[in-house]
Amino acid sequence: QVQLQESGPGLVEPSQTLSLDCTVSGVSVLTFDYFWSWIRQTPGKGLEWLGHVSYRGSTHYNPSFKRRLLISEDSSENKFSLKLTSVTAADTAGYFCAAQYYYDSNPFDTWGQGSLVIVSS
Amino acid sequence: DIQLTQSPSFLSASVGDRVTITCRASQGLSSYLAWYQQKPGKAPKVLISAVVTLQSGVPSRFSGSGSGTEFTLTISSLQPEDLATYYCLQLQSYPHTFGQGTRLDIK
Repeated sequence: QVQLQESGPGLVEPSQTLSLDCTVSGVSVLTFDYFWSWIRQTPGKGLEWLGHVSYRGSTHYNPSFKRRLLISEDSSENKFSLKLTSVTAADTAGYFCAAQYYYDSNPFDTWGQGSLVIVSS
Repeated sequence: DIQLTQSPSFLSASVGDRVTITCRASQGLSSYLAWYQQKPGKAPKVLISAVVTLQSGVPSRFSGSGSGTEFTLTISSLQPEDLATYYCLQLQSYPHTFGQGTRLDIK
């Protein structure tokens, strides 16, 4: 059974880079069977899909974040990561990692527990 | 982007009531619509995929229907544990987008 666990700083200063990891257990992050996504949640905008990484590092990003966003895999630690640059207070959110099985049109059926990130000096 | 608009945004109902939540899309969707339930402090949980497919372990009082631009989530007999916020999600095109949510309160 696939399980996901987010980790990373809970506080990031404005203009800096927000970095989060999602450790995967139960399957290799390199498998072609899964799409690995980041989703965030704010009181103002609700749930927003940020992007995903899949087999051999193939990525797809939400255009709203594309200029600032990098999602990558790390097979040595069986995790995937999010980096969001030039953050502002508007990037304060709960960040979830999530997985889709086999097709990117399948629902996100596995989620991490979420990680709250506050952008503040 | 495909916009999803849920109605109502807030709903209060009694145990045993039949509850319906609507999700309207800004353009026609095929079958790539899912419904999620989120309880406070938890990650969303998928209830229904492909408009009508009940996920394993989800009580049969939940059902989904619809086509084109209008979709519904129905709870046939509301239970106390259904207190949550419900979201629709479209997976037809990028970027994947969620509705703004319907908060369900138990009277």
